[in-house]
Amino acid sequence: GQNIDQPTEMTATEGAIVQINCTYQTSGFNGLFWYQQHAGEAPTFLSYNVLDGLEEKGRFSSFLSRSKGYSYLLLKELQMKDSASYLCAVRDSNYQLIWGAGTKLIIKP
Amino acid sequence: IAGITQAPTSQILAAGRRMTLRCTQDMRHNAMYWYRQDLGLGLRLIHYSNTAGTTGKGEVPDGYSVSRANTDDFPLTLASAVPSQTSVYFCASSRTDNTEAFFGQGTRLTVV
Repeated sequence: GQNIDQPTEMTATEGAIVQINCTYQTSGFNGLFWYQQHAGEAPTFLSYNVLDGLEEKGRFSSFLSRSKGYSYLLLKELQMKDSASYLCAVRDSNYQLIWGAGTKLIIKP
Repeated sequence: IAGITQAPTSQILAAGRRMTLRCTQDMRHNAMYWYRQDLGLGLRLIHYSNTAGTTGKGEVPDGYSVSRANTDDFPLTLASAVPSQTSVYFCASSRTDNTEAFFGQGTRLTVV
């Protein structure tokens, strides 16, 4: 079966750096997405990786290793507004998105 | 403001009743999706449409139906609601089936 694994919850300190990992086992691979979802709100797109390596976008970076079935989202200079759930999703061979359950990130002052 | 709109925002529904959740987008996106989100689970695809006039079944289609008569609208119908359909429902769209998806604000449905 298809599976996306992420830690359920992480805690970090304001101003620090946090890395959220995602491992996947899917039937085929056509890209990996990271979304941010604040409580009670809709998911919003953060990043997309289809080739191995690091994609940087401001304070957020995303890394992909297709051979290892692994990605991480790196958040730098954490702010209180970064408290949210972070969702990892992989597009499979049928171009359907398979979603992880999300990682709830708690930022403490 | 361009985007994707869902209605209603929330609804309490008696079991056995029929209900249609509405979704409209004005971004001229080809692909549209319906997901449900339950605590502790990832988003699960109910139905999708890659282009107007076509629809497909996702991971959890039973008890739900959709139609895609035009590009903008993608309603989701529960023919006879059951308590296990209590969930938050998100509609999403993407320019193609290989680009990022944009989500509506969600519909919180409670079936009692």
